[in-house]
Amino acid sequence: AQSVTQLGSHVSVSEGALVLLRCNYSSSVPPYLFWYVQYPNQGLQLLLKYTSAATLVKGINGFEAEFKKSETSFHLTKPSAHMSDAAEYFCAVSDGPYGGYQKVTFGIGTKLQVIP
Amino acid sequence: SQTIHQWPATLVQPVGSPLSLECTVEGTSNPNLYWYRQAAGRGLQLLFYSVGIGQISSEVPQNLSASRPQDRQFILSSKKLLLSDSGFYLCAWTQGAETQYFGPGTRLTVL
Repeated sequence: AQSVTQLGSHVSVSEGALVLLRCNYSSSVPPYLFWYVQYPNQGLQLLLKYTSAATLVKGINGFEAEFKKSETSFHLTKPSAHMSDAAEYFCAVSDGPYGGYQKVTFGIGTKLQVIP
Repeated sequence: SQTIHQWPATLVQPVGSPLSLECTVEGTSNPNLYWYRQAAGRGLQLLFYSVGIGQISSEVPQNLSASRPQDRQFILSSKKLLLSDSGFYLCAWTQGAETQYFGPGTRLTVL
């Protein structure tokens, strides 16, 4: 069974500071890993994904994440926070599509607050 | 390019009333479709998924049902809403690839 743990339901950073959102996963097979961002009353937007290629994945809006198999982690980072980064971020894991169906397990989300 | 639509965007319904939420996808064919519910502080809960017309799988027992009358249309329904049905409902799609793409969501409030 796959699962995702996001450490910290709320994270606050100052504008211009490093953003670090933590995600640990469990999966019985090599996983696909995702980070999504959600702004209030909107759907989820894909930030980046890992699908067994390069372990350092670059996404949109200056975010990146590193897949570390030994630590079963996929933490999301951004060197310098911007006010527009304030949103909720979801980490997700999938064992991959099988039988025509893809089961994705989402973390409970981390709300990022950016302080001016 | 592919686009996913959901409507209505917001809905306020009394307890015991019926429900119909619609999701449509444009720019693709034979997508896999998913309904999720998002409740405050509880992440996303998968409700239903469909790999083809008329093929619906339910992930959790509940007061809701889903149907897929056309290839790119996915409908979430209820005969009688409960207070616990309140939440933010999200539709998503995939097509062979590993990434789920989400619609804008429907905010349902049951009073």
